[in-house]
Amino acid sequence: EAQVTQNPRYLITVTGKKLTVTCSQNMNHEYMSWYRQDPGLGLRQIYYSMNVEVTDKGDVPEGYKVSRKEKRNFPLILESPSPNQTSLYFCASSLSGRNTEAFFGQGTRLTVV
Amino acid sequence: GQNIDQPTEMTATEGAIVQINCTYQTSGFNGLFWYQQHAGEAPTFLSYNVLDGLEEKGRFSSFLSRSKGYSYLLLKELQMKDSASYLCAFLNTGGFKTIFGAGTRLFVKA
Repeated sequence: EAQVTQNPRYLITVTGKKLTVTCSQNMNHEYMSWYRQDPGLGLRQIYYSMNVEVTDKGDVPEGYKVSRKEKRNFPLILESPSPNQTSLYFCASSLSGRNTEAFFGQGTRLTVV
Repeated sequence: GQNIDQPTEMTATEGAIVQINCTYQTSGFNGLFWYQQHAGEAPTFLSYNVLDGLEEKGRFSSFLSRSKGYSYLLLKELQMKDSASYLCAFLNTGGFKTIFGAGTRLFVKA
């Protein structure tokens, strides 16, 4: 089954404790992206990757890191989480990122206390 | 700058037709998407428009006017399961950055 898988689905952590949210896709897509979704603000793009070892900042990259060492995986790293990073996070992939539809993971609800 | 607006909430009756509008401002444009998102779930793709005009897909249609920076999603024969948020998003120049609106929550009542 074609899918984008994120883990964990839910996470509560403390300020400053490094964490990684994993994202994996099995569709051989070139393009992957991370979003955060907050009430009233909609989805905002954090980082995106056009292919292996090629990443770029979205609209809200501060406080986040990503890597794309393999085509299927695109982890999101929070080196020192803060409460303002409490949000619902979605990973998405698409064939090329241009005019192709995005497939989203199930979401990760992160709470930083 | 880049901006995208859509109404926050709409209510419609089962079996009726509803139109959800989206206006955007951007210096570069590479197409417009509509996604559906049920509460607590991931967004799913509905439509993509890059040329002016109407694209029809079953009960859902999407319209684009690039000169006016305007799009709408038309839902016909509304069903209770259509109660969801509808997200409008455009691709910027280069086609790698996607800008989403805040979404329109649609309530379908019996």
